[in-house]
Amino acid sequence: EDQVTQSPEALRLQEGESSSLNCSYTVSGLRGLFWYRQDPGKGPEFLFTLYSAGEEKEKERLKATLTKKESFLHITAPKPEDSATYLCAVRGGGADGLTFGKGTHLIIQP
Amino acid sequence: EPEVTQTPSHQVTQMGQEVILRCVPISNHLYFYWYRQILGQKVEFLVSFYNNEISEKSEIFDDQFSVERPDGSNFTLKIRSTKLEDSAMYFCASSDRNVNEQFFGPGTRLTVL
Repeated sequence: EDQVTQSPEALRLQEGESSSLNCSYTVSGLRGLFWYRQDPGKGPEFLFTLYSAGEEKEKERLKATLTKKESFLHITAPKPEDSATYLCAVRGGGADGLTFGKGTHLIIQP
Repeated sequence: EPEVTQTPSHQVTQMGQEVILRCVPISNHLYFYWYRQILGQKVEFLVSFYNNEISEKSEIFDDQFSVERPDGSNFTLKIRSTKLEDSAMYFCASSDRNVNEQFFGPGTRLTVL
């Protein structure tokens, strides 16, 4: 059974204070690790897909990295508008559905 | 930018009633999905649909659930006899290839009284 564990559950940062969110996973035959952003009462918004260890993707202040057991979402010099819940999900071999973690609730204080 | 849309945004129903949640996936996508998120919990996969048939379903997707693509644009989730524990946000998603990212709609909040 695929499993995703995200840490920390919640993180409060000052504007400009860089940090990293962790996603640990176990999956049979990784077919993709996905990062989403979710604002309150909204649907997950796609950010990145990573497929193999060593891969990195960047978008504005966010960078996602992948190893064989975990992924990190690095946020550099965050702004208040980066406040959201960040979700990690995996897709295992033979599966259509994504397995999500509980998310990290990120608050950036001005 | 193309997006997945869902209606209604909020549905309130009585226990035991049937509900139909509607979704319009992104127009060139071929794979469609339903997920649910109970308040404060993880997003959970329900079912995937491709080529007019279910391709995968989770343990949650029991006989009271069904999906349909009644025309070339809509994708629906029906719950035949709602239970209190069906109260959740229901998200529709679509993707253009089986291994690529899934794009989610804004969700329908279902409240069962």
